[in-house]
Amino acid sequence: AQKVTQAQTEISVVEKEDVTLDCVYETRDTTYYLFWYKQPPSGELVFLIRRNSFDEQNEISGRYSWNFQKSTSSFNFTITASQVVDSAVYFCALSDPYGGSQGNLIFGKGTKLSVKP
Amino acid sequence: DAGVTQSPTHLIKTRGQQVTLRCSPKSGHDTVSWYQQALGQGPQFIFQYYEEEERQRGNFPDRFSGHQFPNYSSELNVNALLLGDSALYLCASSYSGGRISYNEQFFGPGTRLTVL
Repeated sequence: AQKVTQAQTEISVVEKEDVTLDCVYETRDTTYYLFWYKQPPSGELVFLIRRNSFDEQNEISGRYSWNFQKSTSSFNFTITASQVVDSAVYFCALSDPYGGSQGNLIFGKGTKLSVKP
Repeated sequence: DAGVTQSPTHLIKTRGQQVTLRCSPKSGHDTVSWYQQALGQGPQFIFQYYEEEERQRGNFPDRFSGHQFPNYSSELNVNALLLGDSALYLCASSYSGGRISYNEQFFGPGTRLTVL
């Protein structure tokens, strides 16, 4: 079965601090995709990144970076120099095109990030 | 280019009633998926429509049904509403071209359904 665990329910940091959001996933498939989405208070899920299971290179996009480690089944997300506008709920999600979820997204329960000025 | 749109924004119903939620996908997208997000939880997959047919379904009862129109827009219908159906209903669109796809899904703002 596929499963995504985000153990951190809530995180609170002060502006300009770095913060890492953890994501651990379970799947028996060798081909799968991992995603991060941001959900601000408005409710709309905003796509941040997609990685496939064959690409373990870390990725950096501005203040955001992602660390994908298949050995530990983790796909962690780091925000450098956090800002108040980063306050939101962040979801990690798993999709396996050929397995049980057949391309649809299996979400973790989310981590609520609060960045205080 | 308009993104995914959903209507209505909010809806209040009573137990036993029926509700219809609507979604228009992002331009160029052919696949629509529906998710239910209970308070404090991650979204749960309900079903997916492609070419006007339900292609995949999550673990939801038959009270949940849907439809996709030739213009790719979609409706989610819920019959015999229960208190537990209160949630944010999210529509997501993507392009699959007929294949099971891993492409990123773009989400609409959701419809907040409250069942009293």
